[in-house]
Parts: sequence; structure tokens; C-alpha cells
Amino acid sequence: AQSVTQPDIHITVSEGASLELRCNYSYGATPYLFWYVQSPGQGLQLLLKYFSGDTLVQGIKGFEAEFKRSQSSFNLRKPSVHWSDAAEYFCAFGGYNKLIFGAGTRLAVHP
Amino acid sequence: NAGVTQTPKFQVLKTGQSMTLQCAQDMNHNSMYWYRQDPGMGLRLIYYSASEGTTDKGEVPNGYNVSRLNKREFSLRLESAAPSQTSVYFCASSEEGRERGQPQHFGDGTRLSIL
Repeated sequence: AQSVTQPDIHITVSEGASLELRCNYSYGATPYLFWYVQSPGQGLQLLLKYFSGDTLVQGIKGFEAEFKRSQSSFNLRKPSVHWSDAAEYFCAFGGYNKLIFGAGTRLAVHP
Repeated sequence: NAGVTQTPKFQVLKTGQSMTLQCAQDMNHNSMYWYRQDPGMGLRLIYYSASEGTTDKGEVPNGYNVSRLNKREFSLRLESAAPSQTSVYFCASSEEGRERGQPQHFGDGTRLSIL
């Protein structure tokens, strides 16, 4: 079955610390993978996407993600978190005519 | 550049009432989608439209109907609202839904409460 798992429901980091949000997928073929961010009261904004090629993908706002086929993972990273990064983050993969989303990880940033 | 526009932003209904959520996109996208977002469940697809004149059911279509009015507009209708339909509803669009991997552009959502 096709699915996306985000193991961490909530994560809290200090401003300036590094961040890694985990995402695991279950899919039989090469996945098309995305990370979206949702600020409170807003819609989802695309951070980055992986289709093929280089497994390290750069996105907006200083985020990057690494695709690891052997681990079925697509973890999101940022070397130094800013207070404005507090939001909910969704991993998704692209099926035909739809995206399949994980349940999300809510990020809190302490000053 | 407005992107995807949803109206209304907030709505409170009584059980049994009907209403239509409106969505319009100005990016000339072929595909449009309606999702609902509930705590701890991510986004679940209600209906989608791969092109003008076509609609298909998603994961949770029961209790909803949709209309792809033209290429720009895709509406979602609740004929007889139920408390279980209290949720945040998102409309999205993408260039071509038939191919895998097309990123979607989202509206800001409609927060709907059914009493």
C-alpha cells in the first residue's frame, strides 16, 4: 500500500540549532517526493521536490532534503533554524492524480 | 498574482444546511483538487478534476459533490452538512495531474464548523 509516515508529531528546537524532520514512504516504484510547509492559518507552500537525479535536493528558505532509496526516506534538514520556521511540515509523494500526505510534524522554535 | 483563491474563509453551519465552497485559480492549470485537513491526519483528498469537464472521487468523497465550472473554477458542495464534516478545506491546482509528481499550489483554506 502507498503511504507516507512522519514519525514525529511535535519537535521543539532552539533558534540557531540544526533541524531534521523525518519522512518514510512505502511505494513500489520510484517515488516523486515533496515537502510542504504550513504556517498557522495559511495554506501549504512547496519547500522542495525530488523527481530523479541528485539525491540531495535544495529548496526555499534554506531547507534541503536527502532521498535515500535503501531506507525509503526523504528527510528534511536545515542547518540553523530561525523563529519564523515554526510551522507544520508535511511530507508527500505523488501518485497518479493525487498527492499522498503524511500526518505532519509541528515544529516549535524556542528563542 | 493571486494563485488559488478560496471563499469563504470561515463558515458556521447548522446540521442539515447546505453550502458551496468556491475555488478559483489564475495559473491556467488543468487539474484541481479539494482536500480536507483534520488534526493528526494530514490532508485527505475529497475529489479532483484532472481537466475541465471531468471529476473523480478521492479518498473521502461521501457527503460531498463537486462541479468543475470551467478551467478556472472548481466548487465543493455539502448538500446536508453533518458535524463530521467540520474541518479545514483546501483547494489546490497543478499543471497536469495525470502525470505523477506534479506539485500542487494551495489556497489559504476554508474553516468550516458544523453545529
